[in-house]
Amino acid sequence: DIVMTQSPEFLGVSLGERATINCKSSQSVLDRSSNKHYLAWYQQKPGQPPKLLISWASTRRSGVPDRFSGSGSGTDFTLTISSLQAEDLAVYYCQQYYSTPNTFGQGTKLDIK
Amino acid sequence: VQLEQSGAEVKKPGDSLKISCKGSGYSFTNYWIGWVRQRPGKGLEWMGLIFPGDSDTKYSPTFRGQVTFSVDRSVSTAYLQWDSLRASDSAVYYCARHGSGTFLYYFDNWGQGTLVTVSS
Repeated sequence: DIVMTQSPEFLGVSLGERATINCKSSQSVLDRSSNKHYLAWYQQKPGQPPKLLISWASTRRSGVPDRFSGSGSGTDFTLTISSLQAEDLAVYYCQQYYSTPNTFGQGTKLDIK
Repeated sequence: VQLEQSGAEVKKPGDSLKISCKGSGYSFTNYWIGWVRQRPGKGLEWMGLIFPGDSDTKYSPTFRGQVTFSVDRSVSTAYLQWDSLRASDSAVYYCARHGSGTFLYYFDNWGQGTLVTVSS
């Protein structure tokens, strides 16, 4: 199984500041035939189901604010929130869907500092 | 697209249980449905997938033999079933839809979750 490791587990950021969450996979999630990274980011607010933010490592879902961006390649990926808003308080998960079983990172809890 | 899950359940160890996930607003048979476990205060665990078109399944090794996925195409509903519950099965269970008909894909829509509590 591919192991997904997120860092940090807890992140405190001031409103308006940048938040950066890292995700590392134990093996590459790049499909060379399509040149796509099989990596998604989800946001889960308290008491709610997860919500898709980013797919293919960097493709923002329609309707997701453009302050959210994904980047990375190979085994190292980053979710960046450029200017933190109060409504961004949540737990963020990365997921690889390159192979089954798909696996999630352990989550990063984002708090307002 | 909507995924409507059945309500919360309270069961005893050893009980059987079947929870449901009804899809609407899209062609139910053309998209994989996945199941995800979230124990209290913990992260997301991928349990596996079922393709409603032909009932093909992909189970995580962690959950294979512990649960059963099924579908009823006539009512656009997927099911997650246990034959004998344990206290460690207490969790919220989410169903989620793949954004494509391929099994290597992300979840683009999620149900609201079903809380299962197993306690004597």
